Amino acid sequence: DIQMTQSPSSLSTSVGDRVTITCRASQSISTYLNWYQQKPGKAPKLLIYAASSLQSGVPSRFSGSGSGTEFTLTISSLQSEDFATYYCQQSYSTLWTFGQGTKVEIK
Amino acid sequence: EVQLVESGGGLVQPGGSLRLSCAASGFTFSSYGMNWVRQAPGKGLEWVSYVSSESSTIYYVDSVKGRFTISRDNAKNSLYLQMNSLRAEDTAVYYCARESLDYYDSSGYYSRFDYWGQGTLVTVSS
Repeated sequence: DIQMTQSPSSLSTSVGDRVTITCRASQSISTYLNWYQQKPGKAPKLLIYAASSLQSGVPSRFSGSGSGTEFTLTISSLQSEDFATYYCQQSYSTLWTFGQGTKVEIK
Repeated sequence: EVQLVESGGGLVQPGGSLRLSCAASGFTFSSYGMNWVRQAPGKGLEWVSYVSSESSTIYYVDSVKGRFTISRDNAKNSLYLQMNSLRAEDTAVYYCARESLDYYDSSGYYSRFDYWGQGTLVTVSS
């Protein structure tokens, strides 16, 4: 199975800050990488697919980059509604796997 | 509007069985692969199972193979997960999720889970 590792596991930040979350794959997955946002008690929401494509309806402050084994999710200017947990997911293998999550908290 | 609504969760004893359902609406259900993804309390997301649009391809995570069975009824726009021999470690919120594909050539595509239900809680405890 392909293992996905996110860093950091959590971060404290402020509204308006630039936030970067990293996701590493245990083997090369090209650009078969998705990002999801999850708020407490809610279902995950797709943000980015194919490493850098913005899902319809998602604000442009979210962006994704990377290929191979290292990927990043960037929030250019954090808004109050962005405090949540973020997960990466590889879709290179049909045994989909997720990272452990990164919790973005208010400083 | 795409909607996925799970049901069937509850409290069950270890070794027991439960059948989850996911009712789909707002899209052509028979054209999409579907998944079950679970989340143990306070933990991350774990993909559990996949069924293709016509049920010709099915996958499971190793930890549920031989115990869980995914199925679908395209006439009823419904997805199911039959869970047998349940264990404490199966306790989780179970989400159904639609898979969308983006083709970049004749055989290559990107897969994403673009719509999710609200989840149903399964608790395995004596």
